[in-house]
Amino acid sequence: GNSVTQMEGPVTLSEEAFLTINCTYTATGYPSLFWYVQYPGEGLQLLLKATKADDKGSNKGFEATYRKETTSFHLEKGSVQVSDSAVYFCALSTRDDKIIFGKGTRLHILP
Amino acid sequence: DTGVSQNPRHKITKRGQNVTFRCDPISEHNRLYWYRQTLGQGPEFLTYFQNEAQLEKSRLLSDRFSAERPKGSFSTLEIQRTEQGDSAMYLCASSLQGVTSPLHFGNGTRLTVT
Repeated sequence: GNSVTQMEGPVTLSEEAFLTINCTYTATGYPSLFWYVQYPGEGLQLLLKATKADDKGSNKGFEATYRKETTSFHLEKGSVQVSDSAVYFCALSTRDDKIIFGKGTRLHILP
Repeated sequence: DTGVSQNPRHKITKRGQNVTFRCDPISEHNRLYWYRQTLGQGPEFLTYFQNEAQLEKSRLLSDRFSAERPKGSFSTLEIQRTEQGDSAMYLCASSLQGVTSPLHFGNGTRLTVT
């Protein structure tokens, strides 16, 4: 079946640290991959996406590369800010357009 | 684009009562999704529509749950004979058709069953 596994949180980093949040997936065929973010008190919103192997999605300094050989889509940022504190969800789209989410990773950035 | 709107924002009900939630999607979006989210978990798929047709309902949903999307516009999610285990955030999202199309979420309806 289709599933997404992401690293458990919370993840606590100091400002300007390097961030990696791991995500691996199981899927039939070649899904599109997404990272969504939920800031405190706000709804889920798309952060970035990649639609085929070796694509790199990027937004707001975050990047993730679609790796078919390792079925991974790890989220990275070179220098995090306090405002990046949020819950991050890795997700994939199935052949019939359902979006399946991981459990989320809470990120705390300390000033 | 006024975004996805959900009402009410909060609902407190007693066990055994029926509740209904409403979702107004982005007007040009033909896909509409319902998810449930509990504390510390990711959104869990419940059901989705293409226009007015319900495409799939999760096997996790009991017969107490029903959703409609008359005329392919707004959608309602009804829970009959609520149980304490139904307490959660119910999220609605809409999108254009296609596996690359991202979801646009509403702010959700938080249900508390006492």
